[in-house]
Amino acid sequence: QVQLVQSGAEVKKPGSSVKVSCKASGGTFSNYIITWVRQAPGQGLEWMGRIIPILGITNYAQKFQGRVTITADKSTSTAYMELSSLRSEDTAVYYCANLKLFTKTYAMDVWGQGTTVTVSS
Amino acid sequence: QSVLTQAPSVSGAPGQRVTISCTGSSSNIGAGYDVHWYQQLPGTAPKLLIYDNSNRPSGVPDRFSGSKSGTSASLAITGLQAEDEADYYCQSYDSRLSGYVVFGGGTKLTVL
Repeated sequence: QVQLVQSGAEVKKPGSSVKVSCKASGGTFSNYIITWVRQAPGQGLEWMGRIIPILGITNYAQKFQGRVTITADKSTSTAYMELSSLRSEDTAVYYCANLKLFTKTYAMDVWGQGTTVTVSS
Repeated sequence: QSVLTQAPSVSGAPGQRVTISCTGSSSNIGAGYDVHWYQQLPGTAPKLLIYDNSNRPSGVPDRFSGSKSGTSASLAITGLQAEDEADYYCQSYDSRLSGYVVFGGGTKLTVL
């Protein structure tokens, strides 16, 4: 069973960038589609984007276009999410998850533990 | 504003049955796209609870069930237990958006 382990908590200044990692184990990285979801304090889940590591193909939610970059390193089975031009509203827990295609739609069947990113001056 | 609409909260006493609804539109649930449900216990990552409208992953108790009709889907929990107190999210796909994932706003279940 695949496991996803994320990097530790970050505190960043407004205007800076943050890069969160997500290391996969227990499966074949080339079979994964890694997606990123964030959750602001007391709020719901918000989809940010995804990457197909074996192809390097990415798709981003319109809201984050131009500010988020998702990459993957096949040699270390690790995916990354970098968010730039940080503002206080980006304070959230960021999750990576494996995006699995079921019959007609994708769902997230395995999740990382989450990484807290705090943006504060 | 979430693409899928859920009531903010629902409550029930131990042993009771509760349902959580998820309402979409003709570009997502109504277009035939399947609905998935997640359970998020306090302070933890979400967990896939129901996939493809009504299927339970291994290990999910059969007290949890899902259904879909028209532009809506529902999650039912029978024999409510204290440990069911959590946030529940529905998720699907929307053909009018560039992404692959749309969520409901979440429903907080309180066990009285």
